[in-house]
Amino acid sequence: EPEVTQTPSHQVTQMGQEVILRCVPISNHLYFYWYRQILGQKVEFLVSFYNNEISEKSEIFDDQFSVERPDGSNFTLKIRSTKLEDSAMYFCATLGSSYNEQFFGPGTRLTVL
Amino acid sequence: GENVEQHPSTLSVQEGDSAVIKCTYSDSASNYFPWYKQELGKGPQLIIDIRSNVGEKKDQRIAVTLNKTAKHFSLHITETQPEDSAVYFCAAQGGGSQGNLIFGKGTKLSVKP
Repeated sequence: EPEVTQTPSHQVTQMGQEVILRCVPISNHLYFYWYRQILGQKVEFLVSFYNNEISEKSEIFDDQFSVERPDGSNFTLKIRSTKLEDSAMYFCATLGSSYNEQFFGPGTRLTVL
Repeated sequence: GENVEQHPSTLSVQEGDSAVIKCTYSDSASNYFPWYKQELGKGPQLIIDIRSNVGEKKDQRIAVTLNKTAKHFSLHITETQPEDSAVYFCAAQGGGSQGNLIFGKGTKLSVKP
């Protein structure tokens, strides 16, 4: 099972501020995913990233969001101008060695005030 | 697009009893169905999965069944233990083997000692 760490574990920000959430998977993984989970609700897909390009994205992933892999290891999700409704847990996931399996990191709790 | 419905939303059982959680999906092209367990404050943990070419899969006390014709799949936990208490999510994968997961709304399972 791949290891995925996420930083920070908790981020508090003011509305309108930019935040960057980081995911550090085991190296040599090509597929990454970001999901979010608003408190008490289901997990929702945001975006998938393959070989340094966006593979798929949902309606949630609008122009306020961006992803990149700046240094070949860290995988980041940036929210340019946070809104109150962006408050949620954000999970990074990677594809396992077995076909299909996605393994989730511990998440970053984002609180927008 | 794919839509996954999950029932019940809450389930309370006595230790040692069995628990069953049911999900239905809408997209007949979906072919991979994982189940995740989420404990408080943690990321979803993959506990079992099933692919569309299989009708049933078992791993110790956990089993999953799939009915492709009816487009529903179920999680069965036997001999429940207090540590099984958590929120369980079903999911369906669309868009190929690396596609994003569409989650159900979750079932909060409480196992009373």
